[in-house]
Amino acid sequence: AQSVTQPDIHITVSEGASLELRCNYSYGATPYLFWYVQSPGQGLQLLLKYFSGDTLVQGIKGFEAEFKRSQSSFNLRKPSVHWSDAAEYFCAVAFGGYNKLIFGAGTRLAVHP
Amino acid sequence: GAGVSQSPSNKVTEKGKDVELRCDPISGHTALYWYRQSLGQGLEFLIYFQGNSAPDKSGLPSDRFSAERTGGSVSTLTIQRTQQEDSAVYLCASSLARGGAGETQYFGPGTRLLVL
Repeated sequence: AQSVTQPDIHITVSEGASLELRCNYSYGATPYLFWYVQSPGQGLQLLLKYFSGDTLVQGIKGFEAEFKRSQSSFNLRKPSVHWSDAAEYFCAVAFGGYNKLIFGAGTRLAVHP
Repeated sequence: GAGVSQSPSNKVTEKGKDVELRCDPISGHTALYWYRQSLGQGLEFLIYFQGNSAPDKSGLPSDRFSAERTGGSVSTLTIQRTQQEDSAVYLCASSLARGGAGETQYFGPGTRLLVL
């Protein structure tokens, strides 16, 4: 069965530090991969997505993610974290013709000043 | 509207009562999704509508849950005889669904349901 794993439930970083959030998926073919962010009391906002082509994807707010087929991973990175990046981050996979998303459990990011 | 809207923002109900949650998708979006976000289960797909096609109901957890979409736009998710385990945030999303797989889904702010 298709699944998405985000191994880190909570991550704390200092403002200005680099960030990497891990995501692994289990799927038979190359999936469509997404990263969403959810700020407190807000809906989900798309950060970036990967369908095909260049395995390094640029997104909004300075985020990027790299698709590694050999590792079944799609890790999210940011070179310098801002306090406003504190939120919960969800990795998701789309499969099937209907594009219903399978989400990971989420990683809650805290940013220390 | 500019984005997906959902109402009410919050709903408190008593166990056994029925509730209706509303979603207004982005104008022109033909695909509409419902998801549920709960502490124990994370984010789960519930149901998907695409145009006039039969909806994909594979994620509905029980027959107490149903949804309809009128006129290809507004959708209502109904939960009958609510149980405490139904307490969650119910998220609606829409996409253009022009046929491209993996289209971006735009999410509403959600309805927070609390069943006492």
